[in-house]
Amino acid sequence: GAVVSQHPSWVICKSGTSVKIECRSLDFQATTMFWYRQFPKQSLMLMATSNEGSKATYEQGVEKDKFLINHASLTLSTLTVTSAHPEDSSFYICSATPTSGSADTQYFGPGTRLTVL
Amino acid sequence: DAKTTQPTSMDCAEGRAANLPCNHSTISGNEYVYWYRQIHSQGPQYIIHGLKNNETNEMASLIITEDRKSSTLILPHATLRDTAVYYCIVSNYGGSQGNLIFGKGTKLSVKP
Repeated sequence: GAVVSQHPSWVICKSGTSVKIECRSLDFQATTMFWYRQFPKQSLMLMATSNEGSKATYEQGVEKDKFLINHASLTLSTLTVTSAHPEDSSFYICSATPTSGSADTQYFGPGTRLTVL
Repeated sequence: DAKTTQPTSMDCAEGRAANLPCNHSTISGNEYVYWYRQIHSQGPQYIIHGLKNNETNEMASLIITEDRKSSTLILPHATLRDTAVYYCIVSNYGGSQGNLIFGKGTKLSVKP
């Protein structure tokens, strides 16, 4: 149980284009989902907290207009990297918290490797 | 949230127990101890968490000292697939509040 999926697992795009990453909780409902970013040989850094039906909360230094987050249902959150640039190349990971049961635990997706050329 | 201190790396022989220590001397009364691991190029995997009692599940055991200032994650019979970076995190609302602060973790290498 508590499986989180991400799509795509990897993506390569040209500079200036937008990329959408999906995060789904497969066997549970998640009121809250989180988006992290991990650069090579570094640890995960929280980017934003996504709550179903409301606006996301962004961490300091994360541009909300560049990283658009939509949490339209209890099982799906999307992260859109707009006008991507090479410095946005990173490993993007989402996590989700069950609305019931293990509500004090975050479960992580497998991550999406973004490469911007 | 309280900070944690973990060794940078550890080695363990396959089939032996792996004991990963974590210091969290500034932990507050309502903060849990969480352990995650990250295998190369994958998302973190939840292992176990606890407040003050020792915990055990199918993956590992968590031993928390009585003063809660340190803990040890025990993988009873390490396999090569347990090679990963292990993160010890303390958080008061690790699920719903998003405040899982990942440090550098311990890189565990299980060797044949």
